[in-house]
Amino acid sequence: GAGVSQSPSNKVTEKGKDVELRCDPISGHTALYWYRQSLGQGLEFLIYFQGNSAPDKSGLPSDRFSAERTGGSVSTLTIQRTQQEDSAVYLCASSLGTASNQPQHFGDGTRLSIL
Amino acid sequence: QKEVEQNSGPLSVPEGAIASLNCTYSDRGSQSFFWYRQYSGKSPELIMFIYSNGDKEDGRFTAQLNKASQYVSLLIRDSQPSDSATYLCAPISGTSYDKVIFGPGTSLSVIP
Repeated sequence: GAGVSQSPSNKVTEKGKDVELRCDPISGHTALYWYRQSLGQGLEFLIYFQGNSAPDKSGLPSDRFSAERTGGSVSTLTIQRTQQEDSAVYLCASSLGTASNQPQHFGDGTRLSIL
Repeated sequence: QKEVEQNSGPLSVPEGAIASLNCTYSDRGSQSFFWYRQYSGKSPELIMFIYSNGDKEDGRFTAQLNKASQYVSLLIRDSQPSDSATYLCAPISGTSYDKVIFGPGTSLSVIP
């Protein structure tokens, strides 16, 4: 497709389970970002990739969160031993290059609910 | 001090009026700024990009930047009900140039 694709669109899981969220960026976009948005809140930066490397992981809330990107394309965000406070919409965005002059294009997000 | 501050709103304006959305930021090194619009339940979408002091106009939207005051604003002229959304101010970090810092957003409601 032409836009950023995220899957699944919705995920409901029990506390303590692991979840994996997927992001397929726009073809040719080298930069990829993960954000988290809780209900009624702003966007919380999680991690950023330039190609396959992650220069900035400062936003990951805990060591239960990890992300990888392979082939400079698809990225997965993994949350281990989920907690109820992990419930949020997880947004992925991609851009052509450095953010200083390139807008980010967002996917529709994954709505994660932890029971 | 928060990195990016915006009036949380909700800001209500009548249809046809000018809506003024304000944003202040703490990173003096920030040089470029985005404004995103987010409809309820949807993802953010870019509406403006500004990097020079002064005004930048695009249709009904005008972005204003004052780096000395660390202030950026968005004006929406002839506001329409379809403009009702949350507007996110997003400076580019002055140290990590690939990192965008999103503000908490201002909720705008345009009353018909």
